[in-house]
Amino acid sequence: DTAVSQTPKYLVTQMGNDKSIKCEQNLGHDTMYWYKQDSKKFLKIMFSYNNKELIINETVPNRFSPKSPDKAHLNLHINSLELGDSAVYFCASSPWTGDGSTGELFFGEGSRLTVL
Amino acid sequence: GDSVTQMEGPVTLSEEAFLTINCTYTATGYPSLFWYVQYPGEGLQLLLKATKADDKGSNKGFEATYRKETTSFHLEKGSVQVSDSAVYFCALRKVSGYSTLTFGKGTMLLVSP
Repeated sequence: DTAVSQTPKYLVTQMGNDKSIKCEQNLGHDTMYWYKQDSKKFLKIMFSYNNKELIINETVPNRFSPKSPDKAHLNLHINSLELGDSAVYFCASSPWTGDGSTGELFFGEGSRLTVL
Repeated sequence: GDSVTQMEGPVTLSEEAFLTINCTYTATGYPSLFWYVQYPGEGLQLLLKATKADDKGSNKGFEATYRKETTSFHLEKGSVQVSDSAVYFCALRKVSGYSTLTFGKGTMLLVSP
């Protein structure tokens, strides 16, 4: 069983469209994340949710809206797609680190978004 | 803010060569330190970690020691294999409060037979 799974794995779309990427984890973790990896492999945190509550929201255009229907799912919806949104988006999960644990992140395989 | 600096790649080695990938960090307090590996077409996997000064993380022949005095966490392997070809990311995470991983820019390693 895949621990952190994302769909779709590949997404090709036109500028201006709206698209969603879904993420599910079966590890029982409380915390989930979205990271963006650009063409130079640089990884940047976008959002983090803990038990369905948004706890980290980096400087991301408000065209990006995460939604966590329950603690096992974190979806990413993107409105009015732009060329610069082309990237690989990684979902991850970790146990809650509020008690100071080391917080290993488990990553999905990524969703490659190409905006034409 | 917190940051991680890694050596630029790609690092190109022959099989059985010695590997070092440098990583230094800037952070307040005492973060946990990690190395993640990304094989082509895959997500990131934790390779090793260290949670306090002088800790040594090790896995699959890779090692890194948490050096507080030099704020470094260099990755080493004595004898690389072709299958080690991947992108390696150094990362830190604060151990209190809401925090997540801050990654370096990644270093690509290419190992030839």
